[in-house]
This record gives sequence, structure tokens and C-alpha cells, in this order.
Amino acid sequence: QKEVEQNSGPLSVPEGAIASLNCTYSDRGSQSFFWYRQYSGKSPELIMFIYSNGDKEDGRFTAQLNKASQYVSLLIRDSQPSDSATYLCAVIPSGGSNYKLTFGKGTLLTVNP
Amino acid sequence: GAGVSQSPSNKVTEKGKDVELRCDPISGHTALYWYRQSLGQGLEFLIYFQGNSAPDKSGLPSDRFSAERTGGSVSTLTIQRTQQEDSAVYLCASSLQVSGETQYFGPGTRLLVL
Repeated sequence: QKEVEQNSGPLSVPEGAIASLNCTYSDRGSQSFFWYRQYSGKSPELIMFIYSNGDKEDGRFTAQLNKASQYVSLLIRDSQPSDSATYLCAVIPSGGSNYKLTFGKGTLLTVNP
Repeated sequence: GAGVSQSPSNKVTEKGKDVELRCDPISGHTALYWYRQSLGQGLEFLIYFQGNSAPDKSGLPSDRFSAERTGGSVSTLTIQRTQQEDSAVYLCASSLQVSGETQYFGPGTRLLVL
């Protein structure tokens, strides 16, 4: 079974610090990787996607992908209390079903003022 | 533009009753997905529609679950003879096309089966 693993947390960081969220996946052939943010009681909201090895930056967010090690991470710089949410890592695995997002269970991030 | 919409936002039903959940995808999005999120669990894929192709129903947990998509737009997820374990948030998502395209989620329907 193709799996996506995340530390459930909670991960607690002070305001202004860098929050580092990690995700590993079992399907070596996976091609597409997504980070979603989910506030309590709300639906997931796309933060970033990454397809290629290396770093991808968007404002305070940086996604890092290492296919050889099968991990993808999300860095949040200058963390704000409004960043407090559950962060979901999602992967589209290899094979014919290249549309089924496989989600991790999420990491709860708390940014303390 | 308008995002994915779902109705109802909340549904409370009695065990054994049938329920229908509706999803209206983003205009122009050809792919539509249903997921289920249970308390403390990750999102679970249920079913996928793409254009006029046969849907991928491989994620449906039992034959009590069915879904249809009429006219390539609105979709309805039906749960027959609901059970307490069906209680969850049912999320619909749509994307412009398949092949790894970003999926955009609706607000979800919270289903509680008493």
C-alpha cells in the first residue's frame, strides 16, 4: 500500500521562528507533491506544489523535495500565529491512477505569540 | 471566481436513513473527486470523475455508497442505510484536468449519523 507519513505533532514554534514540516512517502515513483493547510473545521487549502527535486519558494513558504530519499518538507519562515493549522502532505503516486491524492494524517502546527 | 461549493454544510441523520450530498465544482474543471475525512484520520479517496469517462469507484467503502455526475458538472454522493461509522466530513474537490493537476477543495459536508 502506498503510504504518506507525517509526524502528527503538535509542533510548537515561537512567532518569528522557522517551522519545519516533514513528510516521507513509500512510492518511489511518485511524481507530484502537495502541501495543504487545514484550519480547524475548514477544508484543505493548497499552499504549494512541487514536482522537481530541490527547493521551491513562494513568499514565506519553501517546499523541498528529495526523491532519492523520498521525503518532502515545508519550511515556513517568520512564522505567524495565523499559520497555526494542520498541514497535510499529499502525493500522487505512480501508476495508472495519477489523480488519486494520497494524504498523510497531517502535522498540527502551533505558532505561539 | 467561485470555488467548489457543497451542500448541505451539515447533515444529521438517523441510522438506516439515506443521505444525498451535493458538489458543484469550479466552472471549467473537468475532474471531480470525493474524499472522506474521519476524526483523527487522513483524507480518504472515495471516487473520481473525469469528463464522460467511467468513474473510478475504487475508494468507495461499501456498496451503500454511490455517486453520479450529471452533465459533467454537479455531482451527488449518496449513502444508503447510513451507519454510525459513516459519520465524517465529506469533501469534494475539482481540478482543471487530470495528470497531477492541483485539486481545489470545497468546504465539505459534516455528516453525523445518530
